[in-house]
Amino acid sequence: AQSVTQLDSQVPVFEEAPVELRCNYSSSVSVYLFWYVQYPNQGLQLLLKYLSGSTLVESINGFEAEFNKSQTSFHLRKPSVHISDTAEYFCAVRNAGNMLTFGGGTRLMVKP
Amino acid sequence: GAVVSQHPSWVICKSGTSVKIECRSLDFQATTMFWYRQFPKQSLMLMATSNEGSKATYEQGVEKDKFLINHASLTLSTLTVTSAHPEDSSFYICSASGTSVSYEQYFGPGTRLTVT
Repeated sequence: AQSVTQLDSQVPVFEEAPVELRCNYSSSVSVYLFWYVQYPNQGLQLLLKYLSGSTLVESINGFEAEFNKSQTSFHLRKPSVHISDTAEYFCAVRNAGNMLTFGGGTRLMVKP
Repeated sequence: GAVVSQHPSWVICKSGTSVKIECRSLDFQATTMFWYRQFPKQSLMLMATSNEGSKATYEQGVEKDKFLINHASLTLSTLTVTSAHPEDSSFYICSASGTSVSYEQYFGPGTRLTVT
């Protein structure tokens, strides 16, 4: 069975500061890892994903995540956040049957 | 590409009535659709998986007679909440997947259901 743990339910940060949202997973097989972002009253948008290859993956809006197999982690980072990054972020792992298991979510609150 | 829509975006219904939520893949064929439920400030919980033309597979604890899922075409799945009660009030999100999108899940914008 797979599971995903997001250690921080909320992360407050000031604008232009760096941020890291932590994600750890457990799986007995090869994993595909995802980060999704959810704005209030909206569905999920794919932020970035790791399927294979380079362990560092980037999104178009400055986020990046690094797959660390030894630590079973896939932490999300951004060197300088904006007010518009305020949202809920979900880490997820996909199994062979294409089903996603989500972490509990982390609410990123960017303050001016 | 890979756009998924849901209708309605929000709905209010009276206790005891039924409500239908539609999930459409607009620009790809979705051989599989997933239905999730999300309570306030919580994560998504998978309710069921439906493959086109087949009966849905429900997760443990989800009442299949209460949450009727139909996936009759490659672009449309519906979730009907029958005899709704206030505890069914939630945010329902669908996602769609298929070969043309490499089996990734693309999510709809969600439907907020309030049962009074």
